[in-house]
Amino acid sequence: ETAVFQTPNYHVTQVGNEVSFNCKQTLGHDTMYWYKQDSKKLLKIMFSYNNKQLIVNETVPRRFSPQSSDKAHLNLRIKSVEPEDSAVYLCASSDDWGGYEQYFGPGTRLTVL
Amino acid sequence: GDKVKQSPSALSLQEGTNSALRCNFSIAATTVQWFLQNPRGSLINLFYLVPGTKENGRLKSAFDSKESYSTLHIRDAQLEDSGTYFCAAEGDTGYQNFYFGKGTSLTVIP
Repeated sequence: ETAVFQTPNYHVTQVGNEVSFNCKQTLGHDTMYWYKQDSKKLLKIMFSYNNKQLIVNETVPRRFSPQSSDKAHLNLRIKSVEPEDSAVYLCASSDDWGGYEQYFGPGTRLTVL
Repeated sequence: GDKVKQSPSALSLQEGTNSALRCNFSIAATTVQWFLQNPRGSLINLFYLVPGTKENGRLKSAFDSKESYSTLHIRDAQLEDSGTYFCAAEGDTGYQNFYFGKGTSLTVIP
């Protein structure tokens, strides 16, 4: 049963546009994450958020920014997309500061033309 | 270099046979997770491990933190086991950071 929800499923846009992806978890978890999965299926963590505080920022480009209204929501904003941003963006949550099991959403596939 | 090395990168199995996937870590991993990514792209949780072993149906996983590796054993492979298997290690760096392997693409053949 899905407990980490992401919207949209797919998004196609042009270089330079701004996009925003939503993520919500109904597990009552404390920490949420964003990952990027590239065309080779390589998964890399981008951000972690715990109690509205950024825990880890894996030196992603500054055009990326996480946005959280509460611990159940963590959105991802890309200010001006580049072709290399085409990927699948996966949201996840866990119960504590990384010491617990991560649960993933279905992902948002971004295509930048 | 890669902090988590998964092997093999691809594998074909006859239905009903057994196999093992492996992850070697170059970091001081504290926990390991195994996932199956299905054709739709969803990551399905298989195991979450501190050092030790777990078993669930036809799957069994082990994590040895001293020797820095983890294994996933698949017994009596079924067609629905096809997909990409990922391991992810939590590093002991003071930050809550996770490192994924590059995955093992498994195809189960009838």
